[in-house]
Amino acid sequence: DTGVSQDPRHKITKRGQNVTFRCDPISEHNRLYWYRQTLGQGPEFLTYFQNEAQLEKSRLLSDRFSAERPKGSFSTLEIQRTEQGDSAMYLCASSSDTSKQYFGPGTRLTVT
Amino acid sequence: DAKTTQPNSMESNEEEPVHLPCNHSTISGTDYIHWYRQLPSQGPEYVIHGLTSNVNNRMASLAIAEDRKSSTLILHRATLRDAAVYYCIPHMNRDDKIIFGKGTRLHILP
Repeated sequence: DTGVSQDPRHKITKRGQNVTFRCDPISEHNRLYWYRQTLGQGPEFLTYFQNEAQLEKSRLLSDRFSAERPKGSFSTLEIQRTEQGDSAMYLCASSSDTSKQYFGPGTRLTVT
Repeated sequence: DAKTTQPNSMESNEEEPVHLPCNHSTISGTDYIHWYRQLPSQGPEYVIHGLTSNVNNRMASLAIAEDRKSSTLILHRATLRDAAVYYCIPHMNRDDKIIFGKGTRLHILP
C-alpha cells in the first residue's frame, strides 16, 4: 500500500492556460474523489468516480473543468482557460467503501 | 446535510489529553460521526468514526453523547505531531462525498 499519489505537487501557470493534474489511487480502490481547498477553508467536493464511471459532479465544477478516469485506475483533472480564482489545493482521495477515504498530498495550483 | 459547530482553535500542552468538541444538533439517525485531521501541507487523514457507541482506535477515542447531538474526539496524550486541523463530519456511510466544515485548528505547546 503506497498511498494515494498526485502529480505534480505544485503548478504555477498563467491565466488562460490549460493545466492537467494526475491522481493515482491506492490499488484496488474502486472509488476516486476530487476536492478543492482554498486557504483557511475545508476541502470542497468536486467530483466522484466509481471505477471508470463519473457518478457525481458538484456545481463547483464549471464547464472549464473536466475529470476522467479511463480504465478505472488513475484519474486526471483538467482545467481549461485557468482563472486566478482557480488557485487552490486540488486533493484526490480514494476508497474501497464509503466509510473511509484516503487522501493524497494534493496539487497546489497558482494562477498568475 | 447536518451542520456542525466546532471551536475555531484550541491549545493544549504536549503529553496532556485533548478533548475536541463538536456540536451536530441536526444530525440524522443514520449519519455516522466521522473525524478527519489535516496536518500542515498534507491531505486530510481519517481519524475515527462512530454511530452511537463510544469508539476507540490507536489514534484516538470518540465519545458520542446519548442524544447524538454532540461528540468529543479525545487524544489521550498529545504530541507535537498532533498539531493539525480537526474536522468533525456527520456522514451517511452510503454517501460518497464528504462535506468538510472549517474544523478546529489544534495547537500543541511543547
